[in-house]
Amino acid sequence: DAGVIQSPRHEVTEMGQEVTLRCKPISGHDYLFWYRQTMMRGLELLIYFNNNVPIDDSGMPEDRFSAKMPNASFSTLKIQPSEPRDSAVYFCASSLEQGLSPLHFGNGTRLTVT
Amino acid sequence: TQLLEQSPQFLSIQEGENLTVYCNSSSVFSSLQWYRQEPGEGPVLLVTVVTGGEVKKLKRLTFQFGDARKDSSLHITAAQPGDTGLYLCAARGGGSQGNLIFGKGTKLSVKP
Repeated sequence: DAGVIQSPRHEVTEMGQEVTLRCKPISGHDYLFWYRQTMMRGLELLIYFNNNVPIDDSGMPEDRFSAKMPNASFSTLKIQPSEPRDSAVYFCASSLEQGLSPLHFGNGTRLTVT
Repeated sequence: TQLLEQSPQFLSIQEGENLTVYCNSSSVFSSLQWYRQEPGEGPVLLVTVVTGGEVKKLKRLTFQFGDARKDSSLHITAAQPGDTGLYLCAARGGGSQGNLIFGKGTKLSVKP
């Protein structure tokens, strides 16, 4: 299994531009999570999906952030317009089920907004 | 809001030393997980603890879940440079929520 695949690995963009981050979860996993990691705030949950349906998006910072999961093998996180304070590493993770199942993380997208 | 407080935030030791890092909360959890994250990669699960007082060993790593299921510790014996990384504890949100909440982690550096 290839694991969770995220693209791009690095993204540098100017303030005001639209940014789209992509994720392919592990096949058969019912849950998909988007996290943001910074030194100051650690790993923060932004949103998670169950069977392609958004369950909890209370961690999404503001309306500039949106996430979609059009099918079981693909999800996107979009920031429009981007701001310097959005600079962080964004992780996608998937898991088989709730409870004791571990999260399997991708290697993240490092976003820099100048 | 359930918070997981990890301490210390940073730890730098010499190879061969022992160390303990902690994960504390005021909330009770049905289970708790420990992850290790290396630079440029996502976190990877080390262990899941479920029962209050439970102790699990993974080679030189010993994990303990507090009796009241509010805290946990990770003890490393004879640390090696390969143990260097960010150690994160995580627990599920309250009720039947599927979300996993993480502490901010302990950044461990083991010098040869």
